[in-house]
Amino acid sequence: DVVMTQSPLSLPVTLGQPASISCKSSQSLLYSDGDTYLNWFQQRPGQSPRRLIYKVSNRDSGVPDRFSGSGSGTDFTLKISRVEAEDVGVYYCMQGTYWPRTFGQGTRVEIK
Amino acid sequence: EVQLLESGGGLIQPGGSLRLSCAASGFTFSIYTMNWVRQAPGMGPEWLSSISNTGSKMYYADSVRGRFTISRDNAKNSVYLEMNSLRAEDTAVYYCARGPSALLEDWGQGTLVTVSS
Repeated sequence: DVVMTQSPLSLPVTLGQPASISCKSSQSLLYSDGDTYLNWFQQRPGQSPRRLIYKVSNRDSGVPDRFSGSGSGTDFTLKISRVEAEDVGVYYCMQGTYWPRTFGQGTRVEIK
Repeated sequence: EVQLLESGGGLIQPGGSLRLSCAASGFTFSIYTMNWVRQAPGMGPEWLSSISNTGSKMYYADSVRGRFTISRDNAKNSVYLEMNSLRAEDTAVYYCARGPSALLEDWGQGTLVTVSS
């Protein structure tokens, strides 16, 4: 199975400051169709996961533009330009290139 | 608005069976692949199974293949997960999710399954 490794696992951030989460895959996520199936999900406390970013850098509808995704191959990053209180939660990367689909361990974002 | 409502969870003894349902609304159900994903307490999500829009193709994680069966009824806008030979490690919140398994666009609120004697 493709292993997704996130870092850091815990990220204390000051309100209004930027945050960055790394996700590394054990194999390149570039698929034969030319797309890279790397997605980011946010899980707020007590809620189900919500997709924020799909195929590396495409923001879902309603997702604030302070969230951005980048990367290629095996290295990917989710950035929050200015953290707000509503951004507290756990963030997961997920690969959809290989079977089975696999998720990272999660990064917990908290306010300092 | 897309809505996915899971039901059927509960407390079940090891070795028992359970059938989960997911009722979908707010979109044309019959054109979407549907999926089941679970999340054990304190853990990240785990993809379990997917079914194509017509129900002709099913995919499973190794951890549930042979024990779990995914199915759908497009007339009822519903997808199901039949779970047999349940183990303690199957304890989790089970979510249904819409869309290609590579993308998992929308998730329901989940239903809790607890396997314990």
